[in-house]
Amino acid sequence: ILNVEQSPQSLHVQEGDSTNFTCSFPSSNFYALHWYRWETAKSPEALFVMTLNGDEKKKGRISATLNTKEGYSYLYIKGSQPEDSATYLCAYLQEYGNKLVFGAGTILRVKS
Amino acid sequence: NAGVTQTPKFQVLKTGQSMTLQCAQDMNHEYMSWYRQDPGMGLRLIHYSVGAGITDQGEVPNGYNVSRSTTEDFPLRLLSAAPSQTSVYFCASSLTQGNTGELFFGEGSRLTVL
Repeated sequence: ILNVEQSPQSLHVQEGDSTNFTCSFPSSNFYALHWYRWETAKSPEALFVMTLNGDEKKKGRISATLNTKEGYSYLYIKGSQPEDSATYLCAYLQEYGNKLVFGAGTILRVKS
Repeated sequence: NAGVTQTPKFQVLKTGQSMTLQCAQDMNHEYMSWYRQDPGMGLRLIHYSVGAGITDQGEVPNGYNVSRSTTEDFPLRLLSAAPSQTSVYFCASSLTQGNTGELFFGEGSRLTVL
């Protein structure tokens, strides 16, 4: 079973703070790394799908970087807002595989 | 488009009963999958399918069966429910077989086994 680790487990920040979380995954046989945002009582929604080492993706105040050689990805949120409160999931896809393996997630709570 | 539709949203079963969770997508996606979500454990893959007639096991397949007779539908069957199968179940689909495309999730089905 592939190991996908996310840290921290949870994070409480003030409105306006910038924050980042980490997703660690096996560096061998990498194929793709997904990030999802999961609000309470809703379904996970995709933020980014990243496939290339050094890839950087951005959507509004949220951005992500990818290092496939060392097996990690960072998700950054600039100027956190209360509506950013959610669980952020990453998921790893191994080359030649069809199984997307999820980490346990980072819970973000933004206080106004 | 309705996207990914799961039914039922809630279900209570007694130990030993069987049931089927339905999942349908109207996006012509090749890839469909079932996950379960338990506290502190994230989403764990139960079964997946890369196209009609093709299914395979995920991380936690025991106690569950699937079939994929059409592109649109991917039902999950619990043959003899156990309390350990109390969980929230999510169906998800993706355009591509290889999962390089994003997953689209259904709204989830909360199952309680007494």
